[in-house]
Amino acid sequence: EVQLVQSGAEVKKPGESLKISCKGSGYSFTNYWIGWVRQMPGKGLEWMGVIYPGDSDTRYNPSFQGQVSISVDKSSSTAVLQWASLKASDTAMYYCARRLDSAEPFNIWGQGTMVSVSS
Amino acid sequence: IQLTQSPSSLSASVGDRVTITCRASQGISSYLAWYQQKPGRAPKLLIYPASTLQSGVPSRFSGSGSGTDFTLTISSLQPEDSATYYCQQVNSYPLTFGGGTEVEI
Repeated sequence: EVQLVQSGAEVKKPGESLKISCKGSGYSFTNYWIGWVRQMPGKGLEWMGVIYPGDSDTRYNPSFQGQVSISVDKSSSTAVLQWASLKASDTAMYYCARRLDSAEPFNIWGQGTMVSVSS
Repeated sequence: IQLTQSPSSLSASVGDRVTITCRASQGISSYLAWYQQKPGRAPKLLIYPASTLQSGVPSRFSGSGSGTDFTLTISSLQPEDSATYYCQQVNSYPLTFGGGTEVEI
């Protein structure tokens, strides 16, 4: 079964760093783009960026460029979204999702990781 | 590319025909997807490209349009269709989502 399994919920303080992960299984991890999508409480979906694990080609939404970093560990079939310094406004649900090609939507989604940032 | 969805919410009865529109700020050919998101769940891909139903999606869902104007239609609304629906363009980066349409039964 093709699936993306995300790491568990996080509670952090402003200024702390954080990495959340997304592990792919049931398919060839390096052949599909992995993207990240933010959903703030009660709000809509926002595309943050995507990475192609095969060559680590990464594209960011300008709104998130410099605020987060997207990477992959091919050896463990895991994509990572990380922050160097969290803000309260980073409180949101974060989803990873898979797409086949650069002109394709996300057809497989992870279950989401809730990140709460509060002093 | 900005995507404007309308309405932002609607209330309809079981059996009603429901139409949601998505307008792109510039032409995107048929590179438009529709998702359904239920509370507490990840989004689910319903339609891509603009009019092709994904495997397993009930036939009461349909999509149409190309260029800048698109529609998602539910021909006979069912209780399990209560959800928020989003359009997304995958024509060019940055990929963008519409603001969502909450459908209440």
